[in-house]
Amino acid sequence: QSALTQPASVSGSPGQSITISCTGTSSDVGTYNFVSWYQQHPGQAPKLIIYDVNKRPSGVSNRFSGSKSGNTASLTISGLQAEDEADYYCDSYTHTSAYVLFGGGTKLTVL
Amino acid sequence: QLQLQESGPGLVKPSETLSLTCTVSGGSTSNSNYYWGWIRQPPGKGLEWIGSVYYSGSTYYNPSLKSRVTISVDTSKNQFSLKLSSVTAADTAVYYCARVGRIGATSDYWGQGTLVTVSS
Repeated sequence: QSALTQPASVSGSPGQSITISCTGTSSDVGTYNFVSWYQQHPGQAPKLIIYDVNKRPSGVSNRFSGSKSGNTASLTISGLQAEDEADYYCDSYTHTSAYVLFGGGTKLTVL
Repeated sequence: QLQLQESGPGLVKPSETLSLTCTVSGGSTSNSNYYWGWIRQPPGKGLEWIGSVYYSGSTYYNPSLKSRVTISVDTSKNQFSLKLSSVTAADTAVYYCARVGRIGATSDYWGQGTLVTVSS
């Protein structure tokens, strides 16, 4: 069972927007609207920021948004802030026995 | 507010069995809307799904770990547990427990994580 594919790193300047992609297959991302995104700062547990492709949990900034097209889901962060510098992971439900697949993670650097 | 707390040995010898427990407070492991899962993260690397358990005892496991993993739930204690057998240095990681939505498989609440080192 291969992990979902994310770019290893992305960067942007404060105020800019960036997008992180998460590519799966028709067994997961392409069929189910059950993609989540997590933010992880160093030494901390991951924090849920997007679920069901484009829904935000209570308390998460509306600068974070999610979308999906075909087998690829995307996380967009607008109005980049220094505090957004972190690792970002996607995951997806899969109908195989693994149940959940994670992406390899993307390191966001705010320049 | 739901809280999850991992507990267990921080050092395990190669070939032995890693055992961790996650204690849930502010919520119930008997809640039929959720699974209870384990995720790990080797130092400097990404997240890896280990598996999850439902209050009924039904489980899902990562196929790459399935032969070595057992996840169980004790609803009377509001705890669930992970056992990983025949460990090697490659199993050294921070182990997280999490609440996982039954529909959608979103991990919405996470424990703080516990580092388990496999070394003699």
